[in-house]
Amino acid sequence: SQTIHQWPATLVQPVGSPLSLECTVEGTSNPNLYWYRQAAGRGLQLLFYSVGIGQISSEVPQNLSASRPQDRQFILSSKKLLLSDSGFYLCAWQRSGANVLTFGAGSRLTVL
Amino acid sequence: EDKVVQSPLSLVVHEGDTVTLNCSYEVTNFRSLLWYKQEKKAPTFLFMLTSSGIEKKSGRLSSILDKKELFSILNITATQTGDSAIYLCLLNAGNNRKLIWGLGTSLAVNP
Repeated sequence: SQTIHQWPATLVQPVGSPLSLECTVEGTSNPNLYWYRQAAGRGLQLLFYSVGIGQISSEVPQNLSASRPQDRQFILSSKKLLLSDSGFYLCAWQRSGANVLTFGAGSRLTVL
Repeated sequence: EDKVVQSPLSLVVHEGDTVTLNCSYEVTNFRSLLWYKQEKKAPTFLFMLTSSGIEKKSGRLSSILDKKELFSILNITATQTGDSAIYLCLLNAGNNRKLIWGLGTSLAVNP
């Protein structure tokens, strides 16, 4: 069966510090991978999606970036966090050509 | 422009009540509509609907799609406090399988 791991679960970072959130999927190959941000418990905002290694599409211009160094690994990064980067970040995977998205447990980021 | 509108945005009921949540949409090249439940953490999948008039059911939850009137409803009967959550609607549309989320309905079930 497939599983998705996302970490860390909770993160408190000062403004201007770097960020790295990681997501890995097991039990499948060549998944579609997504990073979402959810503010105030609502409105899933798509940040990045990837259909393959090194293929990243950015939906929202900002100081975040994403990388997919391996088939089942998706990383969300920032060089310098802003206060507005606080939120709940969700990684999700989807079998290529399928409809259902399956989410990781989420990472709650607070920037102070 | 593709859009998904969920209503109501927020709802408070008492245990035992029945609730109906609505997801209306306007999308090009509809592929599927999915319902998710989100409690404290990540959304969990409930139902996927692709055809009109075919009810999907899981315990006290059920859902149906109307592709003519462009909406879906999620029904919860005999609500329990554990049903308290945000219910999200997701449209899968377009040739590139574009994903469009509604803002969600926040349901609170009081004892």
